[in-house]
Amino acid sequence: ETGVTQTPRHLVMGMTNKKSLKCEQHLGHNAMYWYKQSAKKPLELMFVYNFKEQTENNSVPSRFSPECPNSSHLFLHLHTLQPEDSALYLCASSQDLTGQFNYGYTFGSGTRLTVV
Amino acid sequence: GEDVEQSLFLSVREGDSSVINCTYTDSSSTYLYWYKQEPGAGLQLLTYIFSNMDMKQDQRLTVLLNKKDKHLSLRIADTQTGDSAIYFCAESKDNQGGKLIFGQGTELSVKP
Repeated sequence: ETGVTQTPRHLVMGMTNKKSLKCEQHLGHNAMYWYKQSAKKPLELMFVYNFKEQTENNSVPSRFSPECPNSSHLFLHLHTLQPEDSALYLCASSQDLTGQFNYGYTFGSGTRLTVV
Repeated sequence: GEDVEQSLFLSVREGDSSVINCTYTDSSSTYLYWYKQEPGAGLQLLTYIFSNMDMKQDQRLTVLLNKKDKHLSLRIADTQTGDSAIYFCAESKDNQGGKLIFGQGTELSVKP
């Protein structure tokens, strides 16, 4: 375990389902991130939270809805997804928005999402 | 621009050196990073270099930065089968707090 835990590891959902991805860290970090990883593409930054406040939404469709109830937990709520949303969803954390400069991010192992 | 580009595949024989290359477009990048992703896992920070450095060495890893050409490379000496993974280059800037820009990743295959 890297210190950032993501659940579930795998998720298969239909296009009409509603599901949530969970990310948890107990590293004392204040910034948390959602990334989408598709094969042979750069990692796509989706959302950034700092001290529970969203600081960036990278033009993500509204069928993805993030929630950050505290600095240790981050959720990604999913509804009416499309097959092209199938990907590995990675959560990361850093000390804060400047902490990355020395230590980079700590990533979770990701949730492999398949939309059928 | 914010593009970070890498070649997609590299294949080497065990014991040889591997060189993974990365180019970036934004000359104001402050830090440049190399991450490693093993199958079924998230990304693990391998090393990073500050933009005012030319080279950084850490055991079998050597990072070279050519700011003029905006070119970053990662050399792995004595490559082992356990080094097989996807390697991501990333950049960050002082004026874009909280944002790492990643390349597509280079899949390194080490053959015995």
